[in-house]
Amino acid sequence: GAVVSQHPSRVICKSGTSVKIECRSLDFQATTMFWYRQFPKQSLMLMATSNEGSKATYEQGVEKDKFLINHASLTLSTLTVTSAHPEDSSFYICSASPVRGGVDSYNEQFFGPGTRLTVL
Amino acid sequence: SQQGEEDPQALSIQEGENATMNCSYKTSINNLQWYRQNSGRGLVHLILIRSNEREKHSGRLRVTLDTSKKSSSLLITASRAADTASYFCATLSGNTPLVFGKGTRLSVIA
Repeated sequence: GAVVSQHPSRVICKSGTSVKIECRSLDFQATTMFWYRQFPKQSLMLMATSNEGSKATYEQGVEKDKFLINHASLTLSTLTVTSAHPEDSSFYICSASPVRGGVDSYNEQFFGPGTRLTVL
Repeated sequence: SQQGEEDPQALSIQEGENATMNCSYKTSINNLQWYRQNSGRGLVHLILIRSNEREKHSGRLRVTLDTSKKSSSLLITASRAADTASYFCATLSGNTPLVFGKGTRLSVIA
């Protein structure tokens, strides 16, 4: 149980284009979803938290107009990297929690396999 | 800002040996969690230790927590090649999201 999938697993795009990454909870309702970014050999950095049906909460320094998050259903959240640039190349990981917000959602996260984005 | 710092950054051992990884953090915590990440994959939750706990076991994993030193260690006994991965600690403080360390890259050589 508690499986989270991401699609695509890898994507290569040209600079200036937009890329959409999907995160799905397969066997539970994901009330809260988290999006992380990970550079090579680095830590996971939380980008934003989204609750189903609400606007995402972005971490300091993350441009909300560049990283659009939609969490329109209890099983799907999408991250769209708009006008992508080479510096946006990274490993993007989502996680999902059946708990709505707060400490309990941080403690009960199930991670997706990640999406490798390369911007040429 | 980063809360957890693992050391060593990289560790290479022979199969059958024990692997010890350490994590230090800066502020008081509710709990500390250890995760494993295989290369290019997502994270797998290994174990959670609460701030009022000192030691926890799960199979071949042993986690200790010393809140006075603000440090934790993860011990993997009788390591296997399949244990090769990156290991991250993550701390939960107050009502803020998990903060991950940079990780230790463990290589277990058969």
